[in-house]
This record gives sequence, structure tokens and C-alpha cells, in this order.
Amino acid sequence: AQSVTQLGSHVSVSEGALVLLRCNYSSSVPPYLFWYVQYPNQGLQLLLKYTSAATLVKGINGFEAEFKKSETSFHLTKPSAHMSDAAEYFCAVSVPRYSSASKIIFGSGTRLSIRP
Amino acid sequence: GAGVSQSPRYKVAKRGQDVALRCDPISGHVSLFWYQQALGQGPEFLTYFQNEAQLDKSGLPSDRFFAERPEGSVSTLKIQRTQQEDSAVYLCASSLEKVTEAFFGQGTRLTVV
Repeated sequence: AQSVTQLGSHVSVSEGALVLLRCNYSSSVPPYLFWYVQYPNQGLQLLLKYTSAATLVKGINGFEAEFKKSETSFHLTKPSAHMSDAAEYFCAVSVPRYSSASKIIFGSGTRLSIRP
Repeated sequence: GAGVSQSPRYKVAKRGQDVALRCDPISGHVSLFWYQQALGQGPEFLTYFQNEAQLDKSGLPSDRFFAERPEGSVSTLKIQRTQQEDSAVYLCASSLEKVTEAFFGQGTRLTVV
């Protein structure tokens, strides 16, 4: 079975500072990995995805994540935080299948706050 | 439509009442997922359709929960005899044939009183 663990339910950084949100996964087969962002009273928006191509994945809004198989990690980073980045962030995993889609398993989320 | 549409956005139900939540996926998307998101938690998988076939319903919490997608497009999640623990946001997502990117609707917030 697959799972993800997000370290830190709440992260607070100053505007302009580095953002680092941690995610570790567990999967018996090579997984697909995702980061989603959720703003209040909204659905989830895909930030970026890893699908077994390049290990450094660039997403929207200046975010990127690096797949590290040896560490089973997929941490999300952004060099300089902006006030608009304040939201809930979810790491997620799925197992690719050839004949059908596969459910996405989400972590419990990390709330990112930005200090002026 | 351009995105996944869910209705209603908000639903208040009295305990014991039946509710039906609707999801209109992106046109042409074969896969459709339902998730339940409790307050302060990540989304929890409920069920998955490929076209009209329900391929995975392992996440449905009880037999009070039922989902259908009879024509392979619109889907309905039905909850019978609602209980307070059913209060949550119910999210629908759709994707093309394989889950390399799932698009989520804004969700239906269900409050059982």
C-alpha cells in the first residue's frame, strides 16, 4: 500500500524567505508523486507532479520539488515566499497502472503561513 | 464546462435525512474520483469510476454511502440516513485515462445537524 507523511502540520516563514515543506512517501513500486495547494473554501489545484521523468520537477508559482528515491522524499521548495503563497499544501502519491487510473493517496497537509 | 463542477456548494441536512451530491466532470474525462475531506484533514479516497464502471469502492465508509455514474459522465454520491460524522467537504475529481493529473472541483460542504 502507498502512503505519504508530511512533516509539520504548520509552517510559518517570513515574506521573501525560503519555503520548505517536507514529504516522505512509502510505495512498493515506483510511484507518481504530486503536490497540491488548497486555498480556503476551494478545491485542490495541482502545483507539480513527478511521473518518473526528471527528478527535479518545476511547477507553477515558482515551486519545485525533488524526487529522492534513496530518501523516499519529495520535498517542496520555493526560494522566496510571497504573501499569496499562504494556503494548505498536500503531498500525494499514486501507483501508475497501464489499464486504468489509480487512486491518489493524500497526506494530512501542511498549512503555510507567511509573515510580513 | 471548463472545469469540474459540483453542486450544491453547501448542504445542511438534518440527521437521518438522505442527501445527493452531484459532480459534472470535465468533458471527455474517463476517470472520476470522490474524496471526503474532514475539517483540518487531507482528502480521503472514497470511490473511483472508469467510464460507468465503479472499479474501486474500497473507501466508502459504510453501506449508507452509494455512488453511481450511469452514463459515464455525471456522477452522484448519495448518503442515506446522514449522521453527524458525515459532516465534511466532498470533493470530486476527474482525469483522462491515467492519473497523471486529476482536476478537482470546489467541493460540496455537507453539515449534518
